[in-house]
Amino acid sequence: DVKVTQSSRYLVKRTGEKVFLECVQDMDHENMFWYRQDPGLGLRLIYFSYDVKMKEKGDIPEGYSVSREKKERFSLILESASTNQTSMYLCASSLGTDGNGEAFFGQGTRLTVV
Amino acid sequence: DQQVKQNSPSLSVQEGRISILNCDYTNSMFDYFLWYKKYPAEGPTFLISISSIKDKNEDGRFTVFLNKSAKHLSLHIVPSQPGDSAVYFCAARMNRDDKIIFGKGTRLHILP
Repeated sequence: DVKVTQSSRYLVKRTGEKVFLECVQDMDHENMFWYRQDPGLGLRLIYFSYDVKMKEKGDIPEGYSVSREKKERFSLILESASTNQTSMYLCASSLGTDGNGEAFFGQGTRLTVV
Repeated sequence: DQQVKQNSPSLSVQEGRISILNCDYTNSMFDYFLWYKKYPAEGPTFLISISSIKDKNEDGRFTVFLNKSAKHLSLHIVPSQPGDSAVYFCAARMNRDDKIIFGKGTRLHILP
């Protein structure tokens, strides 16, 4: 059974803290993604990685960075958390060009910044 | 500027009838279009996809239609069931870099 696992379901952090959200996939997928979901805004792409150590900015990268040192792991970093980063964060992975674009999602991390 | 648009935030359909969810896109560089279903507090799950070279794909109760000239796709669910109540996201994959772009979603309510 394919799996994308996010390290936390719920997280509460203070303004200014450095926050790490971890994601691991066991499908040997090339591509990994970080999205955030907010009411009325849908899923917005923060960062995307198509290979180890490779990354591309999505639509809303400001305030975030990412790390992909190993193929199976993709980390999202909030350098200095702010209240407007309170959101549901979703990690996903996909096979790559040979596939049909299907992305598999983790269960999400609900981050609250206070 | 939104590349994938779902203009209906919500839709209510009687159980047993057809649900039709719509999606428009602006970029001709998408090679696959996908539909996802999402329940609260869970990650989205894949429903069905269609290649940009096709105009129809069917999987059980779910059919996706693609009209390239209108840059429009739709998801048909027949017959609608109570478990279909969820948020449905339309998504598209860029053919140059595999990036997947999502719409804002449509909340589907199936009425008893």
